[in-house]
Amino acid sequence: AQTVTQSQPEMSVQEAETVTLSCTYDTSENNYYLFWYKQPPSRQMILVIRQEAYKQQNATENRFSVNFQKAAKSFSLKISDSQLGDTAMYFCAFMLTGANSKLTFGKGITLSVRP
Amino acid sequence: DVKVTQSSRYLVKRTGEKVFLECVQDMDHENMFWYRQDPGLGLRLIYFSYDVKMKEKGDIPEGYSVSREKKERFSLILESASTNQTSMYLCASSTLGQGSYEQYFGPGTRLTVT
Repeated sequence: AQTVTQSQPEMSVQEAETVTLSCTYDTSENNYYLFWYKQPPSRQMILVIRQEAYKQQNATENRFSVNFQKAAKSFSLKISDSQLGDTAMYFCAFMLTGANSKLTFGKGITLSVRP
Repeated sequence: DVKVTQSSRYLVKRTGEKVFLECVQDMDHENMFWYRQDPGLGLRLIYFSYDVKMKEKGDIPEGYSVSREKKERFSLILESASTNQTSMYLCASSTLGQGSYEQYFGPGTRLTVT
């Protein structure tokens, strides 16, 4: 079975600064996807970024980038130039490749961006 | 844009009542999922469905059942609600399209069982 661990329950960052959210996972499989989802207060969960395990290049989406270390089973999210709208819960998630796979989520981290 | 809607944002029910949570998606997605979200526990999968009339148990199916009579609608049923089922319930959908594994979430239903 796959597990996802987010060991930091809360973090805080000053607006315009950079913050890194940590995530580790455990699997014996070689082909999988990793995700970061964002859940703003009282709003719907949305996908922030996705990484395919077979790709060596780290995924980037505007101010969001990941540091994917496959051997270490680590998948951290870096948010650059933090904005007040980045305040949210962030969930790391894992999914095996294949049509009928399901997501396994970490426990989440609450990120607060201070003005 | 993909839209996933849930029938209620807030629901209060009494212990022992039968509770129906409805989820509808408008993008013809094959896959639909029900999760519950609890503080400190993240999201846990209750049931999922890959096709009409098809269902599979997730990680915590006890006390729940589901129904998928139409492709766009996936219902979660609490046969006899209990206080330990007080939680936030999230519905999601996804497609089987090539390379497309993103799940789209509804706004959630916060259920309180008293």
